[in-house]
Order: sequence, then C-alpha cells, then structure tokens
Amino acid sequence: KQEVTQIPAALSVPEGENLVLNCSFTDSAIYNLQWFRQDPGKGLTSLLLIQSSQREQTSGRLNASLDKSSGRSTLYIAASQPGDSATYLCAVSFRDDKIIFGKGTRLHILP
Amino acid sequence: DTGVSQDPRHKITKRGQNVTFRCDPISEHNRLYWYRQTLGQGPEFLTYFQNEAQLEKSRLLSDRFSAERPKGSFSTLEIQRTEQGDSAMYLCASSLPISGRSYNEQFFGPGTRLTVL
Repeated sequence: KQEVTQIPAALSVPEGENLVLNCSFTDSAIYNLQWFRQDPGKGLTSLLLIQSSQREQTSGRLNASLDKSSGRSTLYIAASQPGDSATYLCAVSFRDDKIIFGKGTRLHILP
Repeated sequence: DTGVSQDPRHKITKRGQNVTFRCDPISEHNRLYWYRQTLGQGPEFLTYFQNEAQLEKSRLLSDRFSAERPKGSFSTLEIQRTEQGDSAMYLCASSLPISGRSYNEQFFGPGTRLTVL
C-alpha cells in the first residue's frame, strides 16, 4: 500500500530558528512530490513541487529535497517567522494523476 | 482571480438532506480532482476527471456520492441522504498535465466545509 508519513505531527520553535520537516513514502517509484501549506480552515497553497528527476527545489526561505532511493523528502525553512505558523502537508504522486497526502505537520513559531 | 473557486464555502445541513457543491477550475486546466479532508487528517482522494470523463473513483465514494463535469469545465459533487460522518472539508483541485514530463502540479481551491447536524 502506498503511504505518506510526516514526522513530527506538531512542532513549536522560537522565531528566527531554522527548521526541518520530514516526509517519508513507501514506494520509490514516484511521479512528483509537492509540499503544501494550509492555514486553519483554509484550502491548500502549493509551496514547492519536485519532479521525480530532481533532487531539490528552492523558493525564498524554503528548500525542499527529494531522495527517492530512501523514500524521503525534507522541507527546510530558514529564519522562521510567526507568519510561517500553519500546517505543512507533503503530497506524493505515484502516478501522473492522484495525490496521496501525509497527515501534515502543525508548525507553531513562537514570537 | 484566476484560481480554483468553490461554492459554497460553508454548508450546514440536517442529516438526510441532499447537498451539492460546485468547483470551477483554472480555465485552461483539463483535469479536475475532488478530495475530502477531516479534522487532523490530510486530504483523501475521492475522484478525478479528465475533461468530461470521470477516470477514477475512490472506495471512499459511496453510492450516495456522485460527481459530474458535463462540459469539461466546472464540476459538481452531490451527496445524497447526508450522514454526520460526511462532515468534512471538500477540496477541489485542477491541473494541466504536460505530456512526457512528471509535472501535473495541482492547484487547490479554498474548499467547502460541510457540517451535517
């Protein structure tokens, strides 16, 4: 069964710190991987998409890496800010259509 | 705003009633997806369309659920005889797969939050 797991489920860090969110998946034959942000009661905002042939993507203070052989991805957030507080979801496409999501990591940045 | 839109944003209904949600995808996108998200969980795939064809339905989509995309543009998701367990956020996404490339980035709408009393 294809599954996506995110650890930790929740994380609180002081403002200004760098942090890493982890995502693991059971099948290395992925199509692509996306990281999303979700604010409470809201929809999903796409942060980064990594194609299966890529190893990382960067956008501003965010960097996502992909290691297919080990079935892992990380989302690195530099110099965290209170506005980064949200749930971060990892989503894996094992084919070119539907996405399988992890349960997310709830991030709280302490001012 | 040229993003994915959903209507209504919130729906409260009594058990046993029928509800219908609408999703308008990004105009040039030919794929449209429906997901359901319950509290504390990630979204779960329900079904998707390529143009007007419904290509896959999840086991989560019971006989009480039906989705349509009659003209290959907007889509509707209907739930008949709602149950309290149907309470969730229903998310719609759209994409434009690029042939030969592992792209197919999905763009999500704001969701419809359903509460069944």
